[in-house]
Amino acid sequence: DAKTTQPNSMESNEEEPVHLPCNHSTISGTDYIHWYRQLPSQGPEYVIHGLTSNVNNRMASLAIAEDRKSSTLILHRATLRDAAVYYCILRGGSNYKLTFGKGTLLTVNP
Amino acid sequence: KAGVTQTPRYLIKTRGQQVTLSCSPISGHRSVSWYQQTPGQGLQFLFEYFSETQRNKGNFPGRFSGRQFSNSRSEMNVSTLELGDSALYLCASSLVAGGATEAFFGQGTRLTVV
Repeated sequence: DAKTTQPNSMESNEEEPVHLPCNHSTISGTDYIHWYRQLPSQGPEYVIHGLTSNVNNRMASLAIAEDRKSSTLILHRATLRDAAVYYCILRGGSNYKLTFGKGTLLTVNP
Repeated sequence: KAGVTQTPRYLIKTRGQQVTLSCSPISGHRSVSWYQQTPGQGLQFLFEYFSETQRNKGNFPGRFSGRQFSNSRSEMNVSTLELGDSALYLCASSLVAGGATEAFFGQGTRLTVV
């Protein structure tokens, strides 16, 4: 499975934008970039995914580098409820499993 | 629509016993995957089922098994429980499996082996 690299932790202030980076230099042409987050004592929650173009949904935006070797998850206005571990995962076209790394622990300060 | 439902939420078992966990996917979803989460190993893939067939299996011993029924509901079974099997077991459902589709997770079953 192609590997992703994320910072262990990041900190943000409430109502400020947050940019969570992910490096995936060995990404293949059929790999989709997925982001999930996990709040304490809960199962992972889908955030967003994309292939080549930037993507937006009600939760976040995903900015994908032109060479696809990195991506950034953007939370436009962080809230306390966004404090979680964020996982960046590559999932191939026919890949049945999600391979989770250690993710980035996001702390949001009031 | 209803999310992924896992039962029971909490379970305490004794070493050597067996346990069965249940997962009801989102209606219409045909792919169900199971994951084990522990503080030391993080989230690890157990297996994936699609239309009652196991298509992929993670690196777990044969004590871990599963099945999927015609209504897409899935169960996983762990026999001869060991202390190290204590973990949060998560089920995820997808419309189909693959990179283009997102997975939706249940709240998990917290298994404690004593």
